[in-house]
Amino acid sequence: QVQLVQSGAEVKKPGASVKVTCKASGYTFTSYYMHWLRQAPGQGLDWMGVINPSSGSISYAQKFQGRVTMTRDTSTSTVYMELSSLRSEDTAVYYCGRDRKVNSGNHPDYWGQGTLVTVSS
Amino acid sequence: TVLTQSPGTLSLSLGERATLSCRASQSVSNNYLVWYQQKPGQAPRLLIYDASSRATGIPDRFSGSGSGTDFTLTISRLEPEDFAVYYCQQYGNSPITFGQGTRLQIK
Repeated sequence: QVQLVQSGAEVKKPGASVKVTCKASGYTFTSYYMHWLRQAPGQGLDWMGVINPSSGSISYAQKFQGRVTMTRDTSTSTVYMELSSLRSEDTAVYYCGRDRKVNSGNHPDYWGQGTLVTVSS
Repeated sequence: TVLTQSPGTLSLSLGERATLSCRASQSVSNNYLVWYQQKPGQAPRLLIYDASSRATGIPDRFSGSGSGTDFTLTISRLEPEDFAVYYCQQYGNSPITFGQGTRLQIK
């Protein structure tokens, strides 16, 4: 069965960076794009970008361009999301989500459990 | 593309019909719109994709409709587990965007 397991909660100071891990299993890793989204406390969902694990090509939301880096390691079926220059407004639960369809970057179907990132001095 | 969901909160009783709206600021290409359900402390769950296709395992009391700029999620008869927050998301126009959500609560 499809599983996405994310790394644990993080507490960071303003200006620091955070790297969240999402390890995939139960399917062919390179066949499905992986999205990253976040959800601030009590707020809605915010799409950050999507990576094609096969080619490594990425599309970032403009809001995060310049601060976010998505990478993947095909040998371990893992995708990473690094967010830099953290500020308090970046406090949120970060989710990875596998796309529903092969070779498509449209919408997540399977989701990780979420990683809480807290930015506080 | 800005998605505006209405109402913000919907209070209904068990067995009633729920109608949730999602309006786009411009036409959504190919009607590429999905609906998610999210319960507290959980990741979202995909309900509907391509505006009207039910995702795997979703009960048939959930249905999606609409095209262009106006989309609707209908829950025909509310069950206790249906009370949650619902989000629409479009993927027809770049970038992907979400609505702000509709909270469905028990009356």
